[in-house]
This record gives sequence, structure tokens and C-alpha cells, in this order.
Amino acid sequence: KAGVTQTPRYLIKTRGQQVTLSCSPISGHRSVSWYQQTPGQGLQFLFEYFSETQRNKGNFPGRFSGRQFSNSRSEMNVSTLELGDSALYLCASSLGDGTTYEQYFGPGTRLTVT
Amino acid sequence: AQSVAQPEDQVNVAEGNPLTVKCTYSVSGNPYLFWYVQYPNRGLQFLLKYITGDNLVKGSYGFEAEFNKSQTSFHLKKPSALVSDSALYFCAVRVQNRDDKIIFGKGTRLHILP
Repeated sequence: KAGVTQTPRYLIKTRGQQVTLSCSPISGHRSVSWYQQTPGQGLQFLFEYFSETQRNKGNFPGRFSGRQFSNSRSEMNVSTLELGDSALYLCASSLGDGTTYEQYFGPGTRLTVT
Repeated sequence: AQSVAQPEDQVNVAEGNPLTVKCTYSVSGNPYLFWYVQYPNRGLQFLLKYITGDNLVKGSYGFEAEFNKSQTSFHLKKPSALVSDSALYFCAVRVQNRDDKIIFGKGTRLHILP
């Protein structure tokens, strides 16, 4: 099975711009979660989508949003970028059906805001 | 509220020696517990999990972890460290039977010295 893929892998944006990141989960996985990873804060949960519905949400401002499509692919959007949004954004997929909870992570998108 | 603590930012171990990476948790309910490893410029890889049953769980690459309910701990262990084990290790928890998000610890950097 193909693993979790994320595009793009690297991104450089300017403060005030917006950005969209994409994640394709493992085939058959219906849950997609997004995380922000920074050296100081570790791994911070952004949100989880299951069957096109947001199931859980972390403590991030409304500038961070996401969605999931019927094929389980997910996108996250960050509007009005700030310097502090520079981070590695990780997507993880899991079955989401309550039988098993381990997540499988993509390689991440490295976002740099200048 | 759920929380995970990894009390050591960094652990140094000589190659061939046993290693332990510590994790304690706090949840209101029965926990699912996980260990993930992250190699440089890569996403997180699932190592092992505790769901129920045997307190000693075996996982990938010769790692194992011991669930201790009374001490609310889930320490990661390996009998003989390899230089290739050098990486960033994350402990994570979620509550059983609830669709809550997974909470990750801040990570412990493991250095195996040749």
C-alpha cells in the first residue's frame, strides 16, 4: 500500500499570504489528522477529519482551517500568514473506525514564512 | 484533561547498552498508549502500542515498552542500543472508547554514542 503523501514538501511564503497544503491518506483510511511541529512546542494537534466532518479541533486560531473530501483526501489552509506559522506540518491517517488508533504519518510540508 | 510528559529532552546511551526513554501520562479513563519515532526530515513512524492485555508490548526494531498502571507510565526500552536508533521519540495517549484526539509528548532526542 502506498503511504501517506503530502504536497508540497517545501513552501516559502510571505507574511500576510495564505497557503493550502494537501494530504492523501493511505487507501482505506478515513481519518486524517493535521499537526504542527516546531522545535519549541513539539507536536501540536490542529484538527482531525473523519468522513468529511471535523471530529476534533486543537487550540489554534481561526486562520487555520481544513476540509476533507469524499475520497478522504484532506487540505488545510492557513490565511494571513504570520512569521510564527513557520513549521513542519504533518498529516496522519488512520482507519478511524474505532478498531485501531495508530496513525501513519506523511513526510510533512516544511512551511517557511518570511 | 489528557496529558503526556516526557521528562527528558535528551538521552545519551553508549552503543550496546540498554536504553530507556521515559513517558508518563494522565487521562480520565483507560488509555491507549503509543510510541513513535522520527528520523531527520521524516514524518513520524509508528513503533508500538498498548491497548489492553500484556503490560509488556513489543514493537518494531527490537523496541518494547512496559505499561505500568499504578505509576501511569509507559517507558520505551531496548536491551542493546544501536547507533541507528538515534532519533526523536514521541509518546502519545488517547482515551479508550472515545473519539478524542491523540495527545503527544514533547519528544525525547535519543543519542546513541559509538
